[in-house]
Formats: sequence, structure tokens, C-alpha cells
Amino acid sequence: QKEVEQNSGPLSVPEGAIASLNCTYSDRGSQSFFWYRQYSGKSPELIMFIYSNGDKEDGRFTAQLNKASQYVSLLIRDSQPSDSATYLCAVSGGYQKVTFGIGTKLQVIP
Amino acid sequence: DVKVTQSSRYLVKRTGEKVFLECVQDMDHENMFWYRQDPGLGLRLIYFSYDVKMKEKGDIPEGYSVSREKKERFSLILESASTNQTSMYLCASSFSGQVTRYFGPGTRLLVL
Repeated sequence: QKEVEQNSGPLSVPEGAIASLNCTYSDRGSQSFFWYRQYSGKSPELIMFIYSNGDKEDGRFTAQLNKASQYVSLLIRDSQPSDSATYLCAVSGGYQKVTFGIGTKLQVIP
Repeated sequence: DVKVTQSSRYLVKRTGEKVFLECVQDMDHENMFWYRQDPGLGLRLIYFSYDVKMKEKGDIPEGYSVSREKKERFSLILESASTNQTSMYLCASSFSGQVTRYFGPGTRLLVL
């Protein structure tokens, strides 16, 4: 059974700080890694995806992948109250069968 | 603007009823997915379809079936609803070989 582990939180950070969200996965064959943001009562929204070891940056978001450690992280710089949401880590061997973690709830305190 | 729509936002059914959840997408996507989302368990894949009349089981297909007679429409069927199928059901779609980006608004199903 493929597993994706996340701490459910909540993770509380002050406004303007860096929020660091972490995820580990069990299947070494995983090739694609995703971060989704889900606001309360809404559907998930894809915010980042990464395939190669290292960092990928998009605006205030940086996804980090370490395949040897089977570890994925998402950094949010200059956190804003509007970033308060649940962040879902997801992994896939391709694109069709994506396994999701339970999500980490992030609270950005003004 | 891509749209994935689901037939109902909220649904209340009785144990033993046959339940149909419908999903429609307007972007000519090959892939369509049904997930359920439960607190503490996250999003779990029930079934997916990569073409008309094609389907594959996800991680938790027991108690569910699906139908895809037209490319734009993917139906989830609960043959005999049970209380443990009370959940949020999310439909998603994507082009073949692309990341799943588009989700519907969800159907919150309560089985009494």
C-alpha cells in the first residue's frame, strides 16, 4: 500500500514568516510530486508540482524534493493570512493514480 | 475556463438506496476520477476512467461502481448505500499524461 505521510497540524506561523510543510512517501517508484491547497469547504487546487531532485520555485512557493530520503516539502515565504488552508501532498508513479496525504492545516496569524 | 460540475452539492439518502453521483467536464479531458475525502483519511481514489467505457479501480472501489458512456460524463454509483459511505465525494478530470488539476465542487453525501 503506497503511503504519503503528513502531520495534520495545525501549523501556526506569524504573518510574514516562512511556513515549512513536510511530507514523506513510501513508494520509491514515485516519479511525480504535487502540492495542492484546499480552503475550508472548497476543492483542492494544484499549486506546485516537481519531478526532479532539488528545488522548484514559483513566486512565494518553493517545492523541495529529496528522492533518496523520500521527502517532499513546501516552503511558503512571507506567509499571508490568505495562505491559511490545508495543504495536501500527493505522489504518483505517473499521473493517473495519485496518492494523497491527509493534509497539513496551516494557520497564518496576523 | 475549465469547468468540472457535479450534479448535487448536498445529498441525503437512506441506507440501502441506490445513489447516483454525476460529474461533467467541458474540456474534452480523457481522464476522469472519483475520490472521497474523509477527515483523518484524506483524499482516496475510488475509480478512474481514461476513456469512454474504460474504467480502473482505485484504492477503495468496494461498494461502488462507475459508468462512462460519454467522454464528458462520469457517474459514480452506490449500489446499496451504507452509513460508512457518508463522505465528501470529489470528481476530477485531466488530459492524458497531465497532472490532475481540475476538481469539481464536491458532493457531500449523508447516508442515514
